[in-house]
Amino acid sequence: DAGVIQSPRHEVTEMGQEVTLRCKPISGHDYLFWYRQTMMRGLELLIYFNNNVPIDDSGMPEDRFSAKMPNASFSTLKIQPSEPRDSAVYFCASSFPQGAYNEQFFGPGTRLTVL
Amino acid sequence: RKEVEQDPGPFNVPEGATVAFNCTYSNSASQSFFWYRQDCRKEPKLLMSVYSSGNEDGRFTAQLNRASQYISLLIRDSKLSDSATYLCVVNTAGGYNKLIFGAGTRLAVHP
Repeated sequence: DAGVIQSPRHEVTEMGQEVTLRCKPISGHDYLFWYRQTMMRGLELLIYFNNNVPIDDSGMPEDRFSAKMPNASFSTLKIQPSEPRDSAVYFCASSFPQGAYNEQFFGPGTRLTVL
Repeated sequence: RKEVEQDPGPFNVPEGATVAFNCTYSNSASQSFFWYRQDCRKEPKLLMSVYSSGNEDGRFTAQLNRASQYISLLIRDSKLSDSATYLCVVNTAGGYNKLIFGAGTRLAVHP
C-alpha cells in the first residue's frame, strides 16, 4: 500500500519565484498536515485539513504561504514569492482519526532551497 | 518556554547499553503523547504511543508522569540500528490532531 506521496523531492529555486509543493495522502485518511522542518526551529505544523477543509492555519508564517486541498487525494502548499529563509524540508502527513492516539504518517518530504 | 523540551544530546552509547531520554511538556491539558523516530534525512515515524500506565514494546519502554508533565523513553540492549533522532510529541489544546514536536534527542550507538 502506498504511503504519503510528495513531489518534488528536491526543489532549488531563486528568490522571488513561486514554489508549489504537492502531496497525496494515504487513501482513506481524513486528516492532512503540512509541516516545515529546519535546524533552528525543528518540526513545525503549518496547517492541517479535515475532510479537505482547512481547520487550523495558525502556523502559516505569512501571507506568502497558502495551502489548498481541492479533493481527498491531493493538496498543495504554495510559496509566492519565495525567500531564502523559506529553505527547509517540508513534510506532508496524513492520519485516520482513532480517538486520542492518531498516528500521523509522514511523506518523504520536499527539500526546498531558495537561493 | 518551549511547549516540549528535550535534551538534544547527542547520546553516544556502545551496543548493548541502556539509554534513557526525557522530555517535559508545558500544557497540562495535553492528553496524547508519543515518541517518533527520525533517521537522518528521512521522515519521522511513530515509534510508540505513551499511555498513562506506561507501556513497553520489546526493548522500548515509555513512561508518563502527568503530575510532573514528564515523559521518558528507555531503550535496553541498544543496537546499531537504534541510531536516530527521537522526537517527543504532545498534542496541544487545539485537539488530538494538533501535535507539537520536541526538537529531538540524537542517539548514536557505536560498536
